[in-house]
Amino acid sequence: EVQLVQSGAEVKKSGESLKISCKGLGYRFSRHWIGWVRQIPGKGLEWMGVIYPGDSDTRYSPAFQGHVTISADKSISTAYLQWSSLKASDTAIYYCARCPEGALSGFDSWGQGTLLTVSS
Amino acid sequence: SYELTQPPSVSVSPGQTARITCSGDALSKKYAYWYQQKSGQAPVLVIYDDRKRPSEIPERFSGSSAGTMATLTISGAQVDDEADYHCYSTDISGNLWVFGGGTKLTVL
Repeated sequence: EVQLVQSGAEVKKSGESLKISCKGLGYRFSRHWIGWVRQIPGKGLEWMGVIYPGDSDTRYSPAFQGHVTISADKSISTAYLQWSSLKASDTAIYYCARCPEGALSGFDSWGQGTLLTVSS
Repeated sequence: SYELTQPPSVSVSPGQTARITCSGDALSKKYAYWYQQKSGQAPVLVIYDDRKRPSEIPERFSGSSAGTMATLTISGAQVDDEADYHCYSTDISGNLWVFGGGTKLTVL
């Protein structure tokens, strides 16, 4: 069974750094693009970017480029989303999601989400 | 930038057919995907490649696409289908993916 297991909720202050994780289970992690999606409470879904763990090819949405870093460690089947300096506006739920094997396309499986709260 | 446009809300009575549209300039050349998101839960894929349905999704869910508009149809909508529905696709380059604004489906 395919599972994406995300790290737990975080409470941080503005200016702090953070790295959240997403572990892929039950499939060949390196062969599937994996992406990050933001959802501000009560709002829609926003595509942040994706990474192909096999070669670390990474694509970012212009709206998030420069503010977050997406990475992956295929040896432990884990993808990461990190911030070097958080803002209160980063408060949201962050989902990781997986694409079908070898294809940058729609996500077919999602993690449970990580709630990030940033206080000013 | 690239945008997908959905109606904010759709309302039907139980047993009726619900149709949710998604418009975008590249949809005539790129596939649309549809996600169901119930309150407090992660999204779930209900339609991929415009019209294909994952095996675990009920047959009442179907998808279509014509020109620059994709449509999610729920035939015989049930109260349990109440959720937000999000369309998803890419721009013509294939490198920028976006979600529509989401449509809240009410069945009552």
